[in-house]
Amino acid sequence: KNEVEQSPQNLTAQEGEFITINCSYSVGISALHWLQQHPGGGIVSLFMLSSGKKKHGRLIATINIQEKHSSLHITASHPRDSAVYICAVEGGSEKLVFGKGTKLTVNP
Amino acid sequence: EPEVTQTPSHQVTQMGQEVILRCVPISNHLYFYWYRQILGQKVEFLVSFYNNEISEKSEIFDDQFSVERPDGSNFTLKIRSTKLEDSAMYFCASSLEGASTDTQYFGPGTRLTVL
Repeated sequence: KNEVEQSPQNLTAQEGEFITINCSYSVGISALHWLQQHPGGGIVSLFMLSSGKKKHGRLIATINIQEKHSSLHITASHPRDSAVYICAVEGGSEKLVFGKGTKLTVNP
Repeated sequence: EPEVTQTPSHQVTQMGQEVILRCVPISNHLYFYWYRQILGQKVEFLVSFYNNEISEKSEIFDDQFSVERPDGSNFTLKIRSTKLEDSAMYFCASSLEGASTDTQYFGPGTRLTVL
């Protein structure tokens, strides 16, 4: 059974700061997903990674398969980035295992 | 941009009643999922559905739960006899390819309240 740990649980930043959210998992996977959950509850998929690095706008996601670790970076953070960021892993069975999420608050 | 829709947005029911939560996935998607999130807790996988059958289910998805794709557009989750602990937000998601190769598109959720 895969255990997914995210850190930090809560993160407060000032607008413009560089943000890093970490995710570790215990068992080898086929893919890792980063999701964003808005204050209203809606969930948006940000990235799906199986190796290396992906970039979309100000968001960058990396994964190290050997170390079972992924990071989500936000450059030039903005108050609209305030949300819960969730890491989820897939082990080849169509079943996603989710982390508890990191609540990010970006103050103006 | 195509989106996943869910109805109703909020359902209130009495314990022991049956509920059906409805989802319309993105039209050309082939993989369908249900997740739940109890208030204040993490998102949990319930079931995945592909090629008109369940491909994977969690231990939460017991005999009280069933899924169906009754026509070419709807994907439903039925809870036969609701319990208080079924109160949660239920999210439907769909993807063109499986979870190891494709991102998933989530619906806005149905908040189920069991009294």
